[in-house]
Amino acid sequence: GAGVSQSPRYKVAKRGQDVALRCDPISGHVSLFWYQQALGQGPEFLTYFQNEAQLDKSGLPSDRFFAERPEGSVSTLKIQRTQQEDSAVYLCASSLEAGSSYEQYFGPGTRLTVT
Amino acid sequence: AQSVSQHNHHVILSEAASLELGCNYSYGGTVNLFWYVQYPGQHLQLLLKYFSGDPLVKGIKGFEAEFIKSKFSFNLRKPSVQWSDTAEYFCAGPGRAGNMLTFGGGTRLMVKP
Repeated sequence: GAGVSQSPRYKVAKRGQDVALRCDPISGHVSLFWYQQALGQGPEFLTYFQNEAQLDKSGLPSDRFFAERPEGSVSTLKIQRTQQEDSAVYLCASSLEAGSSYEQYFGPGTRLTVT
Repeated sequence: AQSVSQHNHHVILSEAASLELGCNYSYGGTVNLFWYVQYPGQHLQLLLKYFSGDPLVKGIKGFEAEFIKSKFSFNLRKPSVQWSDTAEYFCAGPGRAGNMLTFGGGTRLMVKP
């Protein structure tokens, strides 16, 4: 079966541009997560959806970051007015149900480079 | 776990050597701990997980980890590594909110043939 997919895989943006990163979770998975992974570090939590509801956005680093999952399936992470410090790999993960005991399945990530 | 730390950033081993990667967590609730692996060019995938019960958990590809509550540790082990184990390994636990994961900084393992 299909895993979590993300697009684009690579994105180069000039400073100040807006970008949109897409995540297609595993079909039927209730929970969806976004993480940011800076070079040489572990992933850091950004935001969490349960179906279409965004239940936790405490990890979003600034109000330039916005995520949505309007129909409880595909999710988009949008970054407005990108800055160099936004350069990172953005990972999406989904899990079958809510709760930390459920395995999170990760996508390949989108590598964002802001020049 | 509200924070997870990994002691070793880079490890180089020869094939057939034994492996132990350290992971410590600070704890504030239910202990669900994970080890994820990221092979070169691939996405993060689960190696093993601990929720409760037997503190020695076995995962894929001959890996195991032991949960030691008194030491707040969840170290990953493999008796004999292979070149194909070259990868980055991440320990993870629940964050301050129940559903998110908190990751350690990762350990990059290189196995020399």
